[in-house]
Amino acid sequence: QVQLQESGPGLVKPSETLSLMCAVSGGSISTSYWSWIRQSPGKGLEWLGRVYISGTHDYNPALKDRVTMSVSMSKNEVSLRLTSVTAADTAVYYCARDSGDYGDFVNNWFDPWGQGTLVIVSS
Amino acid sequence: DIQMTQSPSSLSASVGDRVTLTCRASQSIGTWLAWYQQKPGKAPVLLIYKASTLQSGVSSRFSGSGSGTEFTLTINNLQPDDFATYYCQQFSSYSPYTFGQGTKVDIK
Repeated sequence: QVQLQESGPGLVKPSETLSLMCAVSGGSISTSYWSWIRQSPGKGLEWLGRVYISGTHDYNPALKDRVTMSVSMSKNEVSLRLTSVTAADTAVYYCARDSGDYGDFVNNWFDPWGQGTLVIVSS
Repeated sequence: DIQMTQSPSSLSASVGDRVTLTCRASQSIGTWLAWYQQKPGKAPVLLIYKASTLQSGVSSRFSGSGSGTEFTLTINNLQPDDFATYYCQQFSSYSPYTFGQGTKVDIK
């Protein structure tokens, strides 16, 4: 079964770039969209966006131009970059696989999720 | 964005109780709704998708219903392992996908 594991710095300075990786094991990285979701006490669960192996992506408009996601088939990894971070970006970040009916890449739920990684934005 | 509102925000119940959690969408989402269970320090786990389809491996004590803008998650015969926070998520539109704020179920 597919398992996901997030990794990356736990502390990022304000105005810098947050970079996280999600290692995918136990399944193909090329047949699903992969989403990033974060959870903070103030904003609950927030979907950040998703990416496909081709590079096709959908980002949450709330993040404007700060977010970039990509997939590496050679490394079996999904990456997240979030620029110009502030304290409001402090959260637990999760990666998750988009799941849905065969061929449906719009109406998707999330299963499974990685265990999450806490990122604190502070100087 | 489609806003998801869950009620109540928390409830206290006893082992063996039947509890019903509600999730309302700000516009019709058909049956494009999922429910997740989250325990402290852990990632959310999928319970139900498409409003009423039980995820493989999930106890049949969980059931979901609803369509349009109003949905419910029912837990029958509440067990100690069920005390957690439950979230709904709409996947009618990925611009963007959105979650409810959660309902925490704790022990009375």
